[in-house]
Amino acid sequence: NAGVTQTPKFRILKIGQSMTLQCAQDMNHNYMYWYRQDPGMGLKLIYYSVGAGITDKGEVPNGYNVSRSTTEDFPLRLELAAPSQTSVYFCASSLISSGGRNEQFFGPGTRLTVL
Amino acid sequence: GNSVTQMEGPVTLSEEAFLTINCTYTATGYPSLFWYVQYPGEGLQLLLKATKADDKGSNKGFEATYRKETTSFHLEKGSVQVSDSAVYFCALSEGAQGAQKLVFGQGTRLTINP
Repeated sequence: NAGVTQTPKFRILKIGQSMTLQCAQDMNHNYMYWYRQDPGMGLKLIYYSVGAGITDKGEVPNGYNVSRSTTEDFPLRLELAAPSQTSVYFCASSLISSGGRNEQFFGPGTRLTVL
Repeated sequence: GNSVTQMEGPVTLSEEAFLTINCTYTATGYPSLFWYVQYPGEGLQLLLKATKADDKGSNKGFEATYRKETTSFHLEKGSVQVSDSAVYFCALSEGAQGAQKLVFGQGTRLTINP
């Protein structure tokens, strides 16, 4: 298993450009998540999905959109990039467990700079 | 809302020293508590977890005990190694079932010198 994969690893955008961060998992996990990590800070949840076709906002959704057309893929879209979106983006996935306390598995991250 | 507070870093220790990284939380209900570790250039990995009061999570020589009375989940290791150098995140999960929305502390960077 490759686990959770993310592309690209690095990207520089100009203000106002758009891009899609790709995330895929091959563990057949129900749940997928997008976080951002700002320097010196913990991760903050942007969006999450409980299954194909179902998404919901996290703590910091403004400026982002997501879709979940398959179990495996959960892309994150930035429509009009702003310097405040400079961050490291992590995708994660998890599987429901009988106890409900399921571990999240993280991808290696995408480092995005908006200039 | 729920929150997690970790001790300020960075922390620098010598090999074989004793490690404590403090973590306290504020939460409604009964969250699960986690420690995640992030090695340079990698994503986060689960280090250990505890799901109810007085539970002790342990892994790779690290331990943390869920203390409801002090709302704490301090990470400890008796003898650290250079390979333990990483950033450590304390986190809690909101919600007993379904999607686990994690709330993270700010992270503590640990450097172990030989």
